[in-house]
Amino acid sequence: GAVVSQHPSWVICKSGTSVKIECRSLDFQATTMFWYRQFPKQSLMLMATSNEGSKATYEQGVEKDKFLINHASLTLSTLTVTSAHPEDSSFYICSARDLGTSGLEFFGPGTRLTVL
Amino acid sequence: GENVEQHPSTLSVQEGDSAVIKCTYSDSASNYFPWYKQELGKRPQLIIDIRSNVGEKKDQRIAVTLNKTAKHFSLHITETQPEDSAVYFCAARANQFYFGTGTSLTVIP
Repeated sequence: GAVVSQHPSWVICKSGTSVKIECRSLDFQATTMFWYRQFPKQSLMLMATSNEGSKATYEQGVEKDKFLINHASLTLSTLTVTSAHPEDSSFYICSARDLGTSGLEFFGPGTRLTVL
Repeated sequence: GENVEQHPSTLSVQEGDSAVIKCTYSDSASNYFPWYKQELGKRPQLIIDIRSNVGEKKDQRIAVTLNKTAKHFSLHITETQPEDSAVYFCAARANQFYFGTGTSLTVIP
């Protein structure tokens, strides 16, 4: 089946630094990718929809200047958490939609971010 | 936007019994309803899905039913096994996914 990778799988950073997370569709092209955040024992919350070659669409309450999304190619989207703070510590999961399989969505393995 | 509610939040069943998890949604434009199983610290795994033109779908011990009029859909797991223990999420999609709040299922051996 379709594979989506995420890098890094976990990262620890100091407060105030920026962290970039990559999401790649390995064997299919994804014009649309999604970024989710999941706090412990909670559901996945959609943060933004990333469309290749255009600006991301952010969900209400998500700061676009803090969570920068770039979808430069059909197989890569990046999420940069700028000036990270401890409250940004979370599990970040991307997903990619494969138009070739009736729009099925495949999740990456997630990135565990811990901000000290 | 879409609002997906999921019940119950926790569910314990004896091995071999059935488990039912229910979700409701608000956006009548939603047309795709997947169910995911998530183990701690791992990505959600799609276990079954249903589209709006179908009322029921079954895959071995797992089935999903959809009532478009009432805007609710349910996951049914029969003959539960300890390895079914996990958190289950429903989701509804028109353009983007909106997830339910999750159900922590425990199957007691």
